[in-house]
Amino acid sequence: GAGVSQSPRYKVAKRGQDVALRCDPISGHVSLFWYQQALGQGPEFLTYFQNEAQLDKSGLPSDRFFAERPEGSVSTLKIQRTQQEDSAVYLCASSLMEKNIQYFGAGTRLSVL
Amino acid sequence: GQQLNQSPQSMFIQEGEDVSMNCTSSSIFNTWLWYKQDPGEGPVLLIALYKAGELTSNGRLTAQFGITRKDSFLNISASIPSDVGIYFCAGQLATSGTYKYIFGTGTRLKVLA
Repeated sequence: GAGVSQSPRYKVAKRGQDVALRCDPISGHVSLFWYQQALGQGPEFLTYFQNEAQLDKSGLPSDRFFAERPEGSVSTLKIQRTQQEDSAVYLCASSLMEKNIQYFGAGTRLSVL
Repeated sequence: GQQLNQSPQSMFIQEGEDVSMNCTSSSIFNTWLWYKQDPGEGPVLLIALYKAGELTSNGRLTAQFGITRKDSFLNISASIPSDVGIYFCAGQLATSGTYKYIFGTGTRLKVLA
């Protein structure tokens, strides 16, 4: 596609529910990054992939957060047993290679009630 | 999580005025990026800087990679109403051993016509 696509755009979950957020990167982009953006803050790094390999997951806040990119293209960020503090916008970005410019999707706004 | 110091936090200016904002850190960076984010959208890249001392322009925008590699500056000349939004710097640490970017806290710009 022309840009990074994320779905859903909005997700409301009850506390304790599991959620899955999808990212379709720009075609041909090797690297894919996930960020969490709390209200009024800048994006904070969660994890990144080079193709299907998850090379850095140091930003994942807890073991309830899990990301995968099994075929080196589409990626899914899964949050298990959601809690209110998980409410944020989750941004996905892709780049041709790790050193290159990151292009962002519009994000998924997650609200945990 | 780690975020860069960005100032000012917010600013109101008259249309036609010039704007300056900066990003500082105690750490050394390899790359500085400047993004603009509109409500409900992902960040959009404005300028990328790769070398200490580098000065790069993109239309009315000019950004500089600080000579110490610990800071960066963004200037907007002759502001117009569509410049309104949140501006973020993002730096790639020189010593991180990874390609993640650390974002600033954002500068919220409002332009009065």
